[in-house]
Amino acid sequence: NAGVTQTPKFQVLKTGQSMTLQCAQDMNHEYMSWYRQDPGMGLRLIHYSVGAGITDQGEVPNGYNVSRSTTEDFPLRLLSAAPSQTSVYFCASSYSGQVSSYEQYFGPGTRLTVT
Amino acid sequence: GDSVTQMEGPVTLSEEAFLTINCTYTATGYPSLFWYVQYPGEGLQLLLKATKADDKGSNKGFEATYRKETTSFHLEKGSVQVSDSAVYFCALIQNSGYSTLTFGKGTMLLVSP
Repeated sequence: NAGVTQTPKFQVLKTGQSMTLQCAQDMNHEYMSWYRQDPGMGLRLIHYSVGAGITDQGEVPNGYNVSRSTTEDFPLRLLSAAPSQTSVYFCASSYSGQVSSYEQYFGPGTRLTVT
Repeated sequence: GDSVTQMEGPVTLSEEAFLTINCTYTATGYPSLFWYVQYPGEGLQLLLKATKADDKGSNKGFEATYRKETTSFHLEKGSVQVSDSAVYFCALIQNSGYSTLTFGKGTMLLVSP
């Protein structure tokens, strides 16, 4: 198993550009989520999905869009990049969001810089 | 809402020293508690967990006990190694319905030889 994979590893965008951060998992996990990590802020939840076709907002959803058309993939779209979106983005997955003891598996992260 | 508070870092120790990283939480009900570790340039990995009061989670020499009376889940290790240098995150998740992880801000640990 590859686990949770994310592409790209690094990205530089100009203000106003759009892009999609890719996330895929091969563990047949129902639950997937996106976090951003900023210095001194820990990880903050952007969006999450409890299964194909079902998504919901997290703590900091503004400026981001998600969809979940398959169990494996959960892309994160930046609609119009802003410098405040400079961050490290992590995707995570687990068997089920309903069973809290299930471990969440994290991808290696995408480091995004918006100039 | 739920929240997690960790001691600020960096925590700087010499090899073989005793480690404590404090974590306290505010939450309704009875959440599950976790410690995640992030090594440089990598994503987070689950280190240990506890799902109910008085449970002790342990892994790789690290331990933490779920203390409901003090709403705490302090991470300890008796003898740290240079390879333990990383950022440690305390987190909780509610045990009802669909829920999401709430993280503390992380504590960086630096261990010198």
